[in-house]
Amino acid sequence: DTGVSQDPRHKITKRGQNVTFRCDPISEHNRLYWYRQTLGQGPEFLTYFQNEAQLEKSRLLSDRFSAERPKGSFSTLEIQRTEQGDSAMYLCASSRRAGSNTEAFFGQGTRLTVV
Amino acid sequence: AQSVTQLDSQVPVFEEAPVELRCNYSSSVSVYLFWYVQYPNQGLQLLLKYLSGSTLVESINGFEAEFNKSQTSFHLRKPSVHISDTAEYFCAVNPQAAGNKLTFGGGTRVLVKP
Repeated sequence: DTGVSQDPRHKITKRGQNVTFRCDPISEHNRLYWYRQTLGQGPEFLTYFQNEAQLEKSRLLSDRFSAERPKGSFSTLEIQRTEQGDSAMYLCASSRRAGSNTEAFFGQGTRLTVV
Repeated sequence: AQSVTQLDSQVPVFEEAPVELRCNYSSSVSVYLFWYVQYPNQGLQLLLKYLSGSTLVESINGFEAEFNKSQTSFHLRKPSVHISDTAEYFCAVNPQAAGNKLTFGGGTRVLVKP
């Protein structure tokens, strides 16, 4: 169990550029979640996958955001035409199975700064 | 919808003193309750959770939290803190009938002073 891995750990980009983040969940986990955490706030849910199926998207996930999990393993989160308001920590988490009592394991996050 | 309020954004405390982190939640449905901890430069880790049964739950490192349904609270306590407890603590809820979609509070930063 190597834990949830996120890459890159830090990303600085100019406004208007596209960025893509990667998340590798714990290998036997079939649920994968993305959260966003802005400074001084707790994480906010963005979306989650059951295997390769994206089951729910938050209203926070505008049309500029897209997430994929093509083979039910790793996931990518892409932000197009970045804005300064997108600056945040993007967290990925995974869990072994469905169920709201199941522990979610979090990665260390990708910190995005849009300048 | 659910919401979680952590009443203190920062709590300075001396080593070996007790600490209490307050958490109140609002929900129209039954929820499970969690405390996560984030040590410097690390990811969120589950500290403890309340699912059912005894309203007092404990972690392996001496923290405990008590679920109070009437007050919709899930306060976290430790009778004697260590320097290593310096971290940010997040209270979270998850609707029992939904998938694992946590709603977090804003976090409480605990700074343990020698």
